[in-house]
Amino acid sequence: ETAVFQTPNYHVTQVGNEVSFNCKQTLGHDTMYWYKQDSKKLLKIMFSYNNKQLIVNETVPRRFSPQSSDKAHLNLRIKSVEPEDSAVYLCASSKSSYEQYFGPGTRLTVL
Amino acid sequence: GQQVQQSPASLVLQEGENAELQCNFSTSLNSMQWFYQRPEGSLVSLFYNPSGTKQSGRLTSTTVIKERRSSLHISSSQITDSGTYLCAMRTGNTRKLIFGLGTTLQVQP
Repeated sequence: ETAVFQTPNYHVTQVGNEVSFNCKQTLGHDTMYWYKQDSKKLLKIMFSYNNKQLIVNETVPRRFSPQSSDKAHLNLRIKSVEPEDSAVYLCASSKSSYEQYFGPGTRLTVL
Repeated sequence: GQQVQQSPASLVLQEGENAELQCNFSTSLNSMQWFYQRPEGSLVSLFYNPSGTKQSGRLTSTTVIKERRSSLHISSSQITDSGTYLCAMRTGNTRKLIFGLGTTLQVQP
């Protein structure tokens, strides 16, 4: 049963374009995350928000910016995409620091 | 280096055989999770297991905090168990998960 929703499922774009990914959770959790899974299949944290406040900000290029309107939504915007941004972006949520639940992911291809 | 080491990297089983997947951590951990990644990429949480042993059907997870390791045992494997199994740890006061590279399991008829 899906409770963390992501859109779009797939996105293909050209270098230099801007993209936005959406994530919504219906679990009533207070913390949300963005992870990136690269071509080597390693999953790495990018950002985390707790009650709309940024609490984790790993070393990611400045063209990436998270946006949270409320604790159920966490979007990710990428300004001027690069080829190395091609990856699967996974959104997750948790209640405090407990078990994390993941969405289905958004696969980005940059041509 | 990699903080979370998973072994084996890949495993091929005949249907009905058991599997033991290992996860070792280079630092102390507060909690850990096991995930199954479907071929299309979505992650399913199998266990949230800070310590001790948990069982769900044919799956058993055992975490030994002081030895910095966790294992996932799959009994009587089925073809539908094929896929990638990931472990991840949480350390310190941070809420982020640090992932291993996974074990790719293939169960053959």
